[in-house]
Amino acid sequence: KNEVEQSPQNLTAQEGEFITINCSYSVGISALHWLQQHPGGGIVSLFMLSSGKKKHGRLIATINIQEKHSSLHITASHPRDSAVYICAVRVGNNDMRFGAGTRLTVKP
Amino acid sequence: NAGVMQNPRHLVRRRGQEARLRCSPMKGHSHVYWYRQLPEEGLKFMVYLQKENIIDESGMPKERFSAEFPKEGPSILRIQQVVRGDSAAYFCASSPWVGEAFFGQGTRLTVV
Repeated sequence: KNEVEQSPQNLTAQEGEFITINCSYSVGISALHWLQQHPGGGIVSLFMLSSGKKKHGRLIATINIQEKHSSLHITASHPRDSAVYICAVRVGNNDMRFGAGTRLTVKP
Repeated sequence: NAGVMQNPRHLVRRRGQEARLRCSPMKGHSHVYWYRQLPEEGLKFMVYLQKENIIDESGMPKERFSAEFPKEGPSILRIQQVVRGDSAAYFCASSPWVGEAFFGQGTRLTVV
């Protein structure tokens, strides 16, 4: 079993829909990251969380440390949000473990 | 302040050749991480370096792979005698402290 599990693996939405991507992990962590990878492959760090909730524009990330669970929400989704979203947890100071990613497609 | 710069973006090598991947961290960042993304697989940690020091190389294959982050210049990931299985995207990330990570665009290595 992977230490970082994401769901769903693939997600197709209509423009404007509210989207939720989930991440569960089974190891002790010092921080959790949400990353975005566009076709062509560059990676952008969206959030780093160690507790609570963060918001940036239409993106919201939450984490529940006790339940070892995080969610990434996208409000009013847009085709340009189409990408692979990756949950990553930092174990100790050095090691980052990655989920397999959620491939999001937003149709106009 | 330019982001994390990786070059080349694409690299083609024949089996048995050497591949050198470069990563220039963001200005002021002294922590560099290398990750590998195999085709259809997730990212995997390879190595964590600070200036002139390898802090954690637990994710590096035992043979043919090495990394350095010299006092001056970029961090280098070096793969000797490449094989087809080395074909992957290699990402570098840098941070000013342990925590926030800024990723480069990656180098896509193809071994033919």
